[in-house]
Amino acid sequence: KQEVTQIPAALSVPEGENLVLNCSFTDSAIYNLQWFRQDPGKGLTSLLLIQSSQREQTSGRLNASLDKSSGRSTLYIAASQPGDSATYLCAVDGNKLVFGAGTILRVKS
Amino acid sequence: DAGVIQSPRHEVTEMGQEVTLRCKPISGHDYLFWYRQTMMRGLELLIYFNNNVPIDDSGMPEDRFSAKMPNASFSTLKIQPSEPRDSAVYFCASSPIGDRYNEQFFGPGTRLTVL
Repeated sequence: KQEVTQIPAALSVPEGENLVLNCSFTDSAIYNLQWFRQDPGKGLTSLLLIQSSQREQTSGRLNASLDKSSGRSTLYIAASQPGDSATYLCAVDGNKLVFGAGTILRVKS
Repeated sequence: DAGVIQSPRHEVTEMGQEVTLRCKPISGHDYLFWYRQTMMRGLELLIYFNNNVPIDDSGMPEDRFSAKMPNASFSTLKIQPSEPRDSAVYFCASSPIGDRYNEQFFGPGTRLTVL
């Protein structure tokens, strides 16, 4: 059974700082990995999707990497802004999408 | 496109009542997913459809839960009878044609409270 763990559970940083969110998964037989953002009381917004054959994806200030063999992914956020404050969820897709518990990020101005 | 549409956005009901949640996927998407989010269990896949056919309902918690997709633009998730432990946010998501492993697009969710 696939298990997804996200570390840290919560993170508070000053504006402008670069930061890394971590995601690990137990079964490397996946088709893709997605990073989502969830704002309080809202739905999920897809940030990046990495296919299993890829090692990383970039979108603006976001960069996500995938190491299937070690069961790890990282989401790198450059020059963080208060508007980045949200919960970030990692989800791996094997035969179904399995989510981590998320990292609650607060960027202080 | 308006994105995935869910209704109602909030539902408060009493234990034992029937609850029906509705979803309109993005036009042209042929995969539709229902998820449930709680503090205790996080986000869980309940069921998904491909071309209106249920493919995997192993996440449906009990027989009280049922889902249908009568056509490509509409799906329902029904709980009958509802119980307080069903209180959660229910999300619908859809995915584009052709590849099960494409990006999923989520609706805003329905917050269900069962008293």
